[in-house]
Amino acid sequence: GDSVTQMEGPVTLSEEAFLTINCTYTATGYPSLFWYVQYPGEGLQLLLKATKADDKGSNKGFEATYRKETTSFHLEKGSVQVSDSAVYFCALSDRLGNTDKLIFGTGTRLQVFP
Amino acid sequence: DAGVIQSPRHEVTEMGQEVTLRCKPISGHNSLFWYRQTMMRGLELLIYFNNNVPIDDSGMPEDRFSAKMPNASFSTLKIQPSEPRDSAVYFCASSLGTTNEQFFGPGTRLTVL
Repeated sequence: GDSVTQMEGPVTLSEEAFLTINCTYTATGYPSLFWYVQYPGEGLQLLLKATKADDKGSNKGFEATYRKETTSFHLEKGSVQVSDSAVYFCALSDRLGNTDKLIFGTGTRLQVFP
Repeated sequence: DAGVIQSPRHEVTEMGQEVTLRCKPISGHNSLFWYRQTMMRGLELLIYFNNNVPIDDSGMPEDRFSAKMPNASFSTLKIQPSEPRDSAVYFCASSLGTTNEQFFGPGTRLTVL
């Protein structure tokens, strides 16, 4: 079945460092791809998404490009801030009938120190 | 909009007791999802509904778990009897079926002693 694999954390960085969190997927169709972020004590929030190959999703300085040839959707940010400390989840959509079920990776914890 | 509302935010109970978690989706959304999050197993989809009808409950761990959606604005997840291994954070999410962004509630942290 469809699945998502993302790098294990924690990822520990100093403020203003460059961030990459790797995500690869396995899917039989053409899913949409997502990055969700979970801040401490809160639910998940959509960070960005891409719906087809070569699309780039971006938000709050984060970017990810849908690479069909490498089945990847790596998350990047050029300069992280302490406030970016959170758990990041990569996900793909799996449409069943009229509803999109999301399949999540295991999450990657990011810790940014001043 | 108030977003997805879950209650209670925290629940502490003893093994063998019945636990009911509640969710109010975003008005107008027609899909609702229940997830469980633990350190060991990560985020697991338990069940989801479309237009109040359960579509896929293959993630429900066992018969002790049941979920209902009596109308478009309310859903419950019930555990009876509860066990310590049910301790987790339970999230509800909703979406508009024609798009695929899910909006998550703040979660219910369940502790079964």
